[in-house]
Amino acid sequence: AQTVTQSQPEMSVQEAETVTLSCTYDTSESNYYLFWYKQPPSRQMILVIRQEAYKQQNATENRFSVNFQKAAKSFSLKISDSQLGDTAMYFCAFMKPQPAGTALIFGKGTTLSVSS
Amino acid sequence: DAGVIQSPRHEVTEMGQEVTLRCKPISGHNSLFWYRQTMMRGLELLIYFNNNVPIDDSGMPEDRFSAKMPNASFSTLKIQPSEPRDSAVYFCASSLPPSYEQYFGPGTRLTVT
Repeated sequence: AQTVTQSQPEMSVQEAETVTLSCTYDTSESNYYLFWYKQPPSRQMILVIRQEAYKQQNATENRFSVNFQKAAKSFSLKISDSQLGDTAMYFCAFMKPQPAGTALIFGKGTTLSVSS
Repeated sequence: DAGVIQSPRHEVTEMGQEVTLRCKPISGHNSLFWYRQTMMRGLELLIYFNNNVPIDDSGMPEDRFSAKMPNASFSTLKIQPSEPRDSAVYFCASSLPPSYEQYFGPGTRLTVT
């Protein structure tokens, strides 16, 4: 069974700084997807970024980028130029794709606080 | 475009009562997922459907939980009878393969007293 581990329950950063959230996973699959979701206090789950395992290039979305290390089974999220609105819980998630798609397996989350 | 719609947003009920949570997926999406979020267990899958057919219900806690998807635009999650340990936030999400990106509704916060 696949597992996702986020080893940092809480992190804090100042505005404009860069922060990296860690995620490791365990799977015997060779093809899969990885995601980072953001959950602000409103509790809405927002997709931040996704990575396909077959792609070597790391995904980027504006200030958000990932460091995907397939051999190490590591998938960290880097947030550059942190903003107050980045304050949220961040979840790393794994999905094993099938023709119909399957469920997300989530880590326990990292609470990120951005202060001015 | 309307996102995933869930109702109610909040539900408070007494132990033993029946609770029905509702979800309308994004139009055109053919996969629908029900997740539950608690402090102790985090986010976990309850059940998911593809083309209205249940594919994996291994996460449904027990027989008190049931889910249906009578058509492509509507799904329900029912708890009967409810218990205090069912208190959680219940999310519905939908996707349209092959993108595999799941879009979540705002969630229903259920409190069972």
